[in-house]
Amino acid sequence: GAVVSQHPSRVICKSGTSVKIECRSLDFQATTMFWYRQFPKQSLMLMATSNEGSKATYEQGVEKDKFLINHASLTLSTLTVTSAHPEDSSFYICSASLDRALMYNYGYTFGSGTRLTVV
Amino acid sequence: GENVEQHPSTLSVQEGDSAVIKCTYSDSASNYFPWYKQELGKRPQLIIDIRSNVGEKKDQRIAVTLNKTAKHFSLHITETQPEDSAVYFCAAELFGNEKLTFGTGTRLTIIP
Repeated sequence: GAVVSQHPSRVICKSGTSVKIECRSLDFQATTMFWYRQFPKQSLMLMATSNEGSKATYEQGVEKDKFLINHASLTLSTLTVTSAHPEDSSFYICSASLDRALMYNYGYTFGSGTRLTVV
Repeated sequence: GENVEQHPSTLSVQEGDSAVIKCTYSDSASNYFPWYKQELGKRPQLIIDIRSNVGEKKDQRIAVTLNKTAKHFSLHITETQPEDSAVYFCAAELFGNEKLTFGTGTRLTIIP
């Protein structure tokens, strides 16, 4: 259980275009989802936390107008990279926190990631 | 905010030997410490985790120890196998702050 499906797995886009990445919780309701960016050979850096029905909270240094996050339902969160540039090329991963009330199921589950290449 | 340091950045171990990866955290209010294994281009996979009310946890060849006083926790892999080769990340969650701070990662290579 507790599976997060992330699409697309890979995307190549031209500089200046926008790309949307979707994360869906398949068998549970994800009140909170997290979006990470991972550059080659580096750690996961949290970009933003999205809560269903409210505005996302962005980490310091992350442009909210460039990385648009929408969490309109308990099972879907989207990240749109607007006006993408080559420096936005990275591995983007979403994550959902599991129900804190269920102590046996405490933790996080991750999507499979999206490799974005901007040319 | 929380800061997590991880050492070493790379580790090569002969097959069958043990591997140890260490992490330190800065905020004593952190209370959840998971370890993830990540293969190239794949999602992080939880391999073991520990809560702050426990000092040690073991699952077959994998164990994690936590020293709250010193604010460090370690991953121990015994009887290493080639399939253990991957990048390992530690992380810490601050109590009441529902997000993870990751360490910088350790690339573990098991030498056959």
